[in-house]
Amino acid sequence: GQQLNQSPQSMFIQEGEDVSMNCTSSSIFNTWLWYKQDPGEGPVLLIALYKAGELTSNGRLTAQFGITRKDSFLNISASIPSDVGIYFCAGQVFNNDMRFGAGTRLTVKP
Amino acid sequence: SAVISQKPSRDICQRGTSLTIQCQVDSQVTMMFWYRQQPGQSLTLIATANQGSEATYESGFVIDKFPISRPNLTFSTLTVSNMSPEDSSIYLCSVTTGTNIQYFGAGTRLSVL
Repeated sequence: GQQLNQSPQSMFIQEGEDVSMNCTSSSIFNTWLWYKQDPGEGPVLLIALYKAGELTSNGRLTAQFGITRKDSFLNISASIPSDVGIYFCAGQVFNNDMRFGAGTRLTVKP
Repeated sequence: SAVISQKPSRDICQRGTSLTIQCQVDSQVTMMFWYRQQPGQSLTLIATANQGSEATYESGFVIDKFPISRPNLTFSTLTVSNMSPEDSSIYLCSVTTGTNIQYFGAGTRLSVL
């Protein structure tokens, strides 16, 4: 099946710094999604991308759907302590077929 | 989006026993799914819960081990049967609405002794 390669695996940054993470695949996806999971919670949708080349922002978060449809990145600007958590990318081909990356664990030092 | 309630939120069980996890949604949804998230890992789809028919299982998951019910458009259960310590995981319910985006419940944290 489709495999998603998410990097980096973990990040330790200082409050105020910008963050960038990405997902790549050998397969094409029709939709890319980014979720955040806080400790003890389920994943929460941050951004959904539907078209190749699409660039979408949600507050300090910006994500792009790669032009080849095989990759996506998520940027977080001016990080704050509540950005701590695990960020997952997910690619979707058809309605039921969603694949998740391994996650990027973000730690923000005040 | 939809409001998804999962019960129990956590449990500690003895090996050989079974646990049934409930997923209740506040509105009728198109699709319901069950995922497993092993410690420190990503999410793996167990099955799609089909309303009024047998669930569709992913490779590596079988009905005898993970029986699923979906009696209506707002409710589903997942049973983890004959548990072993390897079943210790977070089990997550997700649903799709008209946009086909999946929204997740808070999960059930299962520890098997």
